[in-house]
This record gives sequence, C-alpha cells and structure tokens, in this order.
Amino acid sequence: ELKVEQNPLFLSMQEGKNYTIYCNYSTTSDRLYWYRQDPGKSLESLFVLLSNGAVKQEGRLMASLDTKARLSTLHITAAVHDLSATYFCAAPTGYSGAGSYQLTFGKGTKLSVIP
Amino acid sequence: EAQVTQNPRYLITVTGKKLTVTCSQNMNHEYMSWYRQDPGLGLRQIYYSMNVEVTDKGDVPEGYKVSRKEKRNFPLILESPSPNQTSLYFCASSLRPPAPLQNSPLHFGNGTRLTVT
Repeated sequence: ELKVEQNPLFLSMQEGKNYTIYCNYSTTSDRLYWYRQDPGKSLESLFVLLSNGAVKQEGRLMASLDTKARLSTLHITAAVHDLSATYFCAAPTGYSGAGSYQLTFGKGTKLSVIP
Repeated sequence: EAQVTQNPRYLITVTGKKLTVTCSQNMNHEYMSWYRQDPGLGLRQIYYSMNVEVTDKGDVPEGYKVSRKEKRNFPLILESPSPNQTSLYFCASSLRPPAPLQNSPLHFGNGTRLTVT
C-alpha cells in the first residue's frame, strides 16, 4: 500500500521568510503532483513533476522531485499572505490490472503566512 | 468554460435514505474519480473510472456505488447513508489516468458537503 507523507502538516511563517514542505512516498512512482486548496474551496493543480530531477517554478513556489529518494519538495521563497492555503502532494499507485493507477494524496500542509 | 460540475453543493439527509451526488465534466476526459476529504485524513479515493463502463475501487469504497454510462458523467450513489459518511466529497477528472508517461493533472469540482444525521 502506498503511503504519501507530508511534513509539516501545519506551518505558520512570517511574510518574507523561506520554507520547504516535504513529501515522501513509499513506492517507485515516476511522477508527483502538487495541488493547492484555499479555505472552503476546491483543489487546483500547481505542478506535475514527471521525472527524476524535475524542477518546476511558478512565482514564489518551486517544486522538485527525487525519485531515488522518493522525495518531493515544495519550496516557498519570500512568503506572502496570498500563499496561505493547504498544499497537497499526490503520487500515482495501485495498479489494478486495467492499466490504471490510483492517485494517493498526502494529508496536506496547512500554510499560514502572517503579515 | 472547461469545468467539473458537482451537485448539490450541500446536502443534509438522514440515515438510510438513498442519495446520488452528480458529477459532470465537459472536457472529454477519460479518467474520473471520487474523493472524500476529512479533517486530519486528507483526501481518500473512493472509486475511479478509466473510461465508459470501466470502474474500480479506491481506498475507501465501502458504502458507495458509482456508474459510468456516459463519458461525461460519473455519479456517486449512497444506497444507505450512515453518519460516518458525513464528509466533503470531490469529483475530479483528467484527460488520461495517472499512469506512466501521462501528464494529466486532475481537475476538481467544487465539492459536495454531505451531512448524514
């Protein structure tokens, strides 16, 4: 059974600071997804990391993937209040024999950026 | 506008009364999935569908049914709801399933908050 573990689960940080969210997964997945959920809202896709060493950046967020270490990171640079949200990572797993994979999510990291 | 539409947004019902939550996507996506979100547990997959008439269980399928008679629709059916099914439910779809060599992030609906008393 795949496990996807994020840490920390809660993160309170001041504006302007840097921090990293970690996502460990337990199987040999070749890709990793990051999603953002604003309070009371749905989830939206942030990044799709497709291979070992992949790095993607958008604004103050940068995500990377190390498939050998089974680790993805989401780095926040110079945080601003608008980044306050819950961030989820997800990895595909669970081959069913029909050529399908389930997508298993971590529990999410609730980020609060304090002015 | 490309979207995943769930209905209703809010639903309060009583134990044992059958209900259906509808989900429709207008992006011609092959893959559709249902998740439930509970505090402290994140998102857990209930059922998913690779394409029309192809469905499979996720991690928490007990007490739920699904069908995929048309590509665009993937309803979630609770035949006899119980209080432990009180949750926030999300339907999601992607062009292709989350499989190797595929780059297809999930698009999520706005969620259905279900309360079973």
